[in-house]
Amino acid sequence: ETGVTQTPRHLVMGMTNKKSLKCEQHLGHNAMYWYKQSAKKPLELMFVYNFKEQTENNSVPSRFSPECPNSSHLFLHLHTLQPEDSALYLCASSPGTTATGELFFGEGSRLTVL
Amino acid sequence: AQKVTQAQTEISVVEKEDVTLDCVYETRDTTYYLFWYKQPPSGELVFLIRRNSFDEQNEISGRYSWNFQKSTSSFNFTITASQVVDSAVYFCALSAHYGGATNKLIFGTGTLLAVQP
Repeated sequence: ETGVTQTPRHLVMGMTNKKSLKCEQHLGHNAMYWYKQSAKKPLELMFVYNFKEQTENNSVPSRFSPECPNSSHLFLHLHTLQPEDSALYLCASSPGTTATGELFFGEGSRLTVL
Repeated sequence: AQKVTQAQTEISVVEKEDVTLDCVYETRDTTYYLFWYKQPPSGELVFLIRRNSFDEQNEISGRYSWNFQKSTSSFNFTITASQVVDSAVYFCALSAHYGGATNKLIFGTGTLLAVQP
């Protein structure tokens, strides 16, 4: 079982729906990340949280709203999405946020926006 | 600007063949780290290796080996005697030293490796 768990694994939503993606890490890490993986494109860093505080927002549209209630949980709230937002959303964690650290990834949430 | 280029989109080999995945990076930082991750069909990226910019020694781990050459800004990955279980997408990534600031991994577009039995 992976140390980073994401739910749901698959999500289909209409453009007017509101849904949330959940990520939980069981590794005792302090930093958590959201990445977007689209076909034929590099993984895109969306948000970074360190000790529950957001330290990075990579110019992500406001229709994506992250929430980090504690160091073990990370949410991505979705509303009024566009079809081009369809992608695999990956959550990751690391002990800290220094450049040397490896990231531990979850299996991702596959989002389809109709 | 930081950039990672994986020119090979897809590679198909027959089991037991050796295969090399190419990675070329760009950075103006003198201290940086390079990574390889494997993404099997299940989706999660699995860490394989990390190298820092001051250590150009090549590394071997079982059937895996890595060739880091600063002169050509390359960090290539070779799988010897490939197996079907090696089939996955492989990502090369770069992380620059931001003085302890946020860990920003810049990924390449990945190389899909298909190992045929």
